[in-house]
Amino acid sequence: KNEVEQSPQNLTAQEGEFITINCSYSVGISALHWLQQHPGGGIVSLFMLSSGKKKHGRLIATINIQEKHSSLHITASHPRDSAVYICAVRSKRDDKIIFGKGTRLHILP
Amino acid sequence: DVKVTQSSRYLVKRTGEKVFLECVQDMDHENMFWYRQDPGLGLRLIYFSYDVKMKEKGDIPEGYSVSREKKERFSLILESASTNQTSMYLCASRTGGGNEKLFFGSGTQLSVL
Repeated sequence: KNEVEQSPQNLTAQEGEFITINCSYSVGISALHWLQQHPGGGIVSLFMLSSGKKKHGRLIATINIQEKHSSLHITASHPRDSAVYICAVRSKRDDKIIFGKGTRLHILP
Repeated sequence: DVKVTQSSRYLVKRTGEKVFLECVQDMDHENMFWYRQDPGLGLRLIYFSYDVKMKEKGDIPEGYSVSREKKERFSLILESASTNQTSMYLCASRTGGGNEKLFFGSGTQLSVL
């Protein structure tokens, strides 16, 4: 079983829809990262969370440490949000970063 | 703007060749990482370094080595390239402290023929 699981693996939605991507992890963590990767592009950092909630524009990220779960929400989704979204955690045990396999999001105009 | 620069975007090599992948960061970060990314497998850690001349094996170090002679430069070396090392290679650096952030290079797509 992977230590970081994302769901769904793939998501197609219409422009304007509210999007939720989930991340569950099984290890103790120091931090959780949400990353975005556009096709053919590099990876950019969206958020780092150690507790609570963060918001940046139309993106909101939440984390529940007790439940070992995080969500990334996109409000008023747009075709330019189409990308792979990756959840990654920094393990308290060995300080390594463990990545989920990503959620491929496709927003239709 | 902060930058992690990888020397090549695309690289084609032959089986058995020695391959050098260079990564330079301009943010004075101590922590640097090399990953490979394969479809369906996500990012897997090859090697990492927390300081100059320091290196630690990641989850899949076989067939690779690294060099960190200067803080800003972290090189990945494929001693004798094989076809199963065809992959996207990503370099990253990480800030320390309580507000950590990850920075990635744009990746090197390596094809070994």
